[in-house]
Amino acid sequence: EPEVTQTPSHQVTQMGQEVILRCVPISNHLYFYWYRQILGQKVEFLVSFYNNEISEKSEIFDDQFSVERPDGSNFTLKIRSTKLEDSAMYFCASTTSEGSSGANVLTFGAGSRLTVL
Amino acid sequence: DQQVKQNSPSLSVQEGRISILNCDYTNSMFDYFLWYKKYPAEGPTFLISISSIKDKNEDGRFTVFLNKSAKHLSLHIVPSQPGDSAVYFCAAMGVFGNEKLTFGTGTRLTIIP
Repeated sequence: EPEVTQTPSHQVTQMGQEVILRCVPISNHLYFYWYRQILGQKVEFLVSFYNNEISEKSEIFDDQFSVERPDGSNFTLKIRSTKLEDSAMYFCASTTSEGSSGANVLTFGAGSRLTVL
Repeated sequence: DQQVKQNSPSLSVQEGRISILNCDYTNSMFDYFLWYKKYPAEGPTFLISISSIKDKNEDGRFTVFLNKSAKHLSLHIVPSQPGDSAVYFCAAMGVFGNEKLTFGTGTRLTIIP
């Protein structure tokens, strides 16, 4: 069964450092997402990406965050200068539809745990 | 701004019995509702969904009920099995079906053998 793969599974970084989290979405999917879950809290939407541009972003997704699809397969989330509060599990997700009459199920990766010290 | 709420952080159910997980929402613009299941160290996995034009959707042991007037949905699992022990997230999305998901806070379900 196709899956969304994420690397690294766990990254520890110092506050102020740049971090890049990588995702390989399912190959025929067109919509890509990043979500995060701070320990003990709900899964929160960060950003959606379609046709090589951001289609929607949350207020969490400030200027410190950026996303890129550099080579047609990878989808990356960059945090320029990490803060303690960026410590969370970051989930990449993708879905196929260009728009339909039914809910399109997002397929999530296993997540990348980011620990900022 | 909790548009999707799961008021029970945890639930314990005997194996073989029915598990009922509840979810409330505030945004009447939501058009689809989904349940995801999450095991530790894994991403959320899709379980079942329902459109706002329906009031019930069934898939094997899992049934989701939607009460649109009350802005309430529930997930029924019967019979409950030990492998069902996980965190269950209720999620909602808008009319186009590929919009962002808004998640609830999750309910940790423990099935007691």
